[in-house]
Amino acid sequence: KNEVEQSPQNLTAQEGEFITINCSYSVGISALHWLQQHPGGGIVSLFMLSSGKKKHGRLIATINIQEKHSSLHITASHPRDSAVYICAVRSVDSNYQLIWGAGTKLIIKP
Amino acid sequence: NAGVTQTPKFQVLKTGQSMTLQCAQDMNHNSMYWYRQDPGMGLRLIYYSASEGTTDKGEVPNGYNVSRLNKREFSLRLESAAPSQTSVYFCASSEVGGPVYEQYFGPGTRLTVT
Repeated sequence: KNEVEQSPQNLTAQEGEFITINCSYSVGISALHWLQQHPGGGIVSLFMLSSGKKKHGRLIATINIQEKHSSLHITASHPRDSAVYICAVRSVDSNYQLIWGAGTKLIIKP
Repeated sequence: NAGVTQTPKFQVLKTGQSMTLQCAQDMNHNSMYWYRQDPGMGLRLIYYSASEGTTDKGEVPNGYNVSRLNKREFSLRLESAAPSQTSVYFCASSEVGGPVYEQYFGPGTRLTVT
């Protein structure tokens, strides 16, 4: 079983819909990262969380440490949000290595 | 600032050939990383350098070597390329390799080994 599981693997939605991507992990963590990989391949860090909730524009990330679960929400989705969204966690056992989820491929149709 | 740069962007090698992937960052970061990304799989850490002068193995180091040339540059070498090394390679850097610092990624190198 992977230590970081994302769901769904693929998600197709219509423009304007509210999007939720989930990440569950099985190890003790010091931080959780959400990243976005564009169709061209570039990877950009969206959020880094250790507790609570963060918001940036139309993106919201939450984490529940007790339940070992994080969600990434996109409000008023737009075709330019189409990308792969990746969850990664930093285990308490490692200062340098991240444990990566396989990613969620999101397609927003106009 | 250019951020993290990688060269080349694309490369095709024959089995057994060698090559070096170059990475440089201009953010004065201490830590640098090399990852590979294969279809349907998450990023996998090949090697990392916590600080100038140090390198350590990651999850999948076999078949690779690295050099932290100075604080800015971290190269990845394939001594004898194999088809299993066909992948997209990403270099990343962070201020410090601890939990509170995010990683910044280069644009990637798409490598095909035939």
